Amino acid sequence: GQQLNQSPQSMFIQEGEDVSMNCTSSSIFNTWLWYKQDPGEGPVLLIALYKAGELTSNGRLTAQFGITRKDSFLNISASIPSDVGIYFCAGLFLAGGTSYGKLTFGQGTILTVHP
Amino acid sequence: EAQVTQNPRYLITVTGKKLTVTCSQNMNHEYMSWYRQDPGLGLRQIYYSMNVEVTDKGDVPEGYKVSRKEKRNFPLILESPSPNQTSLYFCASSVSGVKTQYFGPGTRLLVL
Repeated sequence: GQQLNQSPQSMFIQEGEDVSMNCTSSSIFNTWLWYKQDPGEGPVLLIALYKAGELTSNGRLTAQFGITRKDSFLNISASIPSDVGIYFCAGLFLAGGTSYGKLTFGQGTILTVHP
Repeated sequence: EAQVTQNPRYLITVTGKKLTVTCSQNMNHEYMSWYRQDPGLGLRQIYYSMNVEVTDKGDVPEGYKVSRKEKRNFPLILESPSPNQTSLYFCASSVSGVKTQYFGPGTRLLVL
């Protein structure tokens, strides 16, 4: 099946620092999603990207859909303690105008923020 | 309150003993899906369902069964669990495609 490589696997940062993480794929997607998972809970959608080159922000979070359609990036600015959690990228290829398809997840980036 | 519920939240069982993990959503969603989460592997899709009586395999369907007899429920069945099915399982649902999925709280399963 499709492979998504997400890096880094983990990050330990100080409060106030900026964070960057990325995902690369062996094949193209036409949708990229970024999720956050808090301890003991299910993933929650942060940002969705629908076309190559798209740059989208959600508060302090900014994500980009790579031009090659095989990668995506997530940046968090001015991190705060509640940013702690696991961040997942996910790629989706939808064919023929359908809104259903198989979601492929990256391995996750574990973020720790020290006050 | 709109939500996806899973039961049980925690389960310890032994190899070969059939079990069912229930998933229910109260949002009238058509699409439902099961994932397993393992360290270093992210979430992998087991099965999904686009509507009542319509199910299909995800990436890792071996050893699992599902059914979708009603819109709100999508149980995951392990007919003969094995230790390699020890994992954290998530159910998810959406009204219009995978990108708007709501995830349940997870079920942590240990198979001895």
